[in-house]
Amino acid sequence: KQEVTQIPAALSVPEGENLVLNCSFTDSAIYNLQWFRQDPGKGLTSLLLIQSSQREQTSGRLNASLDKSSGRSTLYIAASQPGDSATYLCAVTGGFKTIFGAGTRLFVKA
Amino acid sequence: EAGVAQSPRYKIIEKRQSVAFWCNPISGHATLYWYQQILGQGPKLLIQFQNNGVVDDSQLPKDRFSAERLKGVDSTLKIQPAKLEDSAVYLCASSRRDSGDNEQFFGPGTRLTVL
Repeated sequence: KQEVTQIPAALSVPEGENLVLNCSFTDSAIYNLQWFRQDPGKGLTSLLLIQSSQREQTSGRLNASLDKSSGRSTLYIAASQPGDSATYLCAVTGGFKTIFGAGTRLFVKA
Repeated sequence: EAGVAQSPRYKIIEKRQSVAFWCNPISGHATLYWYQQILGQGPKLLIQFQNNGVVDDSQLPKDRFSAERLKGVDSTLKIQPAKLEDSAVYLCASSRRDSGDNEQFFGPGTRLTVL
C-alpha cells in the first residue's frame, strides 16, 4: 500500500531564502508525481508534474526532482517571496490510485 | 479554457440529512475524480471515473456515498445520510486520461459542515 510523507509539516523562512520541500513514497511503481499549491480556503493549483521516466521539471523559480529508486521527490523554491506562503502538497499516482501527502505549510516572512 | 466548476461552494446540513455536490470538468477531459479533504490532511481519493465508467471506488463509503457521471461529462456526489465525520471539503478534479501524463486540475471545492 502506497504511503506518502511530507517533511517538514510546517516551515517559516525569511523572504529571499532558497528552500527545499520533501516528499517520500513507499512504492516506486508510480506513473507520475505532481506538486500542488493550496491557499487557505481554496482548491489545489498544479505546479509541476513529473512523469515516471523523468528526473526533474522546472517552472520559473520552481524545480522538482524525482528519484524513484529511493522513493523521494523534492520541490526547490528559489528566492522565496511572501506570495509563496501556502500549503504545498505532493501526490503520487500509480495503479489508478492517487495518494496525497499531508502537505507542508510554508510561511515566508517579509 | 474554463477550469473545473463545482457547486455549491458551501453547504451546512444537520446530521442524517442528505446532500449532493455537482462537478463540471474541463472540456474534453475523460477522467474525473472526487476527493475528500479533512482539515489539516491531504485529499483522499473517493472515486475515479474514466468517461462513464468507475475506475476505482475502493475508498468510497458505499453505505452512504454514491456518485454518478452521466454521459461522461458532469458528475454528482451524494451523501445520504450525512454523519458528523463527513464535514470536509469535497474536491473535484479532471485530467485528460488516467495514466502517464495525467496532470490533474482541481475545482474550488465544496465545504460541507454537518451539525
